[in-house]
Amino acid sequence: DTGVSQDPRHKITKRGQNVTFRCDPISEHNRLYWYRQTLGQGPEFLTYFQNEAQLEKSRLLSDRFSAERPKGSFSTLEIQRTEQGDSAMYLCASSRQGAVEKLFFGSGTQLSVL
Amino acid sequence: DQQVKQNSPSLSVQEGRISILNCDYTNSMFDYFLWYKKYPAEGPTFLISISSIKDKNEDGRFTVFLNKSAKHLSLHIVPSQPGDSAVYFCAARGDSGGGADGLTFGKGTHLIIQP
Repeated sequence: DTGVSQDPRHKITKRGQNVTFRCDPISEHNRLYWYRQTLGQGPEFLTYFQNEAQLEKSRLLSDRFSAERPKGSFSTLEIQRTEQGDSAMYLCASSRQGAVEKLFFGSGTQLSVL
Repeated sequence: DQQVKQNSPSLSVQEGRISILNCDYTNSMFDYFLWYKKYPAEGPTFLISISSIKDKNEDGRFTVFLNKSAKHLSLHIVPSQPGDSAVYFCAARGDSGGGADGLTFGKGTHLIIQP
């Protein structure tokens, strides 16, 4: 069990640029979640996958946000045309189906949009 | 509109005493409640949980109490230790638009254990 891995840990970008983050879940976990955390707030649910199927995406913040999990293993979160308001910590988590108490989080990607 | 509320941004407790962290919720559809602990530069880690059909769950120094009629839960840590200093998030699962297991989190309480 190597834990949930996120890359990069930090990303600084200019407004209007596209960014992509990667998440590698715990290998035997079939559910993968993306959350966003801004300063002084708790993590905010964005989307989740069960295997390669994206089962919930209505909480993605805008159509500039998209996520994929093409082979049911790693996942990517892309933000197009970044805005300063996108600056936040993006957290990935994984679990086995039905084991919500065993939701393991990665250390996150801190995005700063200048 | 916040469905999970932690009204105390910070709490300072002396080492060895009891720490009590509180959480209120508004959505009666929540069926599972969890507490997470977060250190700086790390992701949240699971601490303890409780199903909505129970009113208490205990794990070592940590006990969570659920009062469904008041829509209130609390986390008790006794005795408090220096390593307990962290941000604690209350989270809930249910019909909150968070997907099958997507959680709704409170804003967190920063617990500081003083020697």
